[in-house]
Amino acid sequence: DAGITQSPRHKVTETGTPVTLRCHQTENHRYMYWYRQDPGHGLRLIHYSYGVKDTDKGEVSDGYSVSRSKTEDFLLTLESATSSQTSVYFCAISGTGGVVANEQFFGPGTRLTVL
Amino acid sequence: SQQGEEDPQALSIQEGENATMNCSYKTSINNLQWYRQNSGRGLVHLILIRSNEREKHSGRLRVTLDTSKKSSSLLITASRAADTASYFCATDRVYNQGGKLIFGQGTELSVKP
Repeated sequence: DAGITQSPRHKVTETGTPVTLRCHQTENHRYMYWYRQDPGHGLRLIHYSYGVKDTDKGEVSDGYSVSRSKTEDFLLTLESATSSQTSVYFCAISGTGGVVANEQFFGPGTRLTVL
Repeated sequence: SQQGEEDPQALSIQEGENATMNCSYKTSINNLQWYRQNSGRGLVHLILIRSNEREKHSGRLRVTLDTSKKSSSLLITASRAADTASYFCATDRVYNQGGKLIFGQGTELSVKP
């Protein structure tokens, strides 16, 4: 699966608690993305990164922050989880070195439930 | 807002039949991609077609792109039970930054043995 892992794979948490999801890649890909997948909405981009310490917002970024301190890791943080953030979260990577990004490779997903 | 809209939302066919899924989008694109998602798994890239291409083949997959109609279709020939999955189109828009893709809501394909 393109050397991309996500942790944890499942998490149940309570409203108001902080949550951090980790995406780790071994492919040295430049671009990394966080999506959420909900019934009826398909995949929606939360945040993405185009390099170490370079990140930008996607279409549903409110309530989420990200960090990328090294090429291989992209962290997604929910500062104060809400029930509306219950979802399946996918990390994706694309591009190699300076190559323009094209197809994306996806991790296995993290199922997050906020009670 | 969703860039890609798939049609139909769900499709049920018998093994051996062909499956056709359609995708429409709203703005000019650099390329359009199709992905498959098996239940409980991440998405897997199937095929990419660039805006200057009209048709592309990969094994049993055939993708067409009509930029004048802003639409694409994915044809799976001689379907198998293992093709049962959700299929998503995704567009890479012109003037896009960071290789961002906009995904449609997907077509759920069920292939009955």
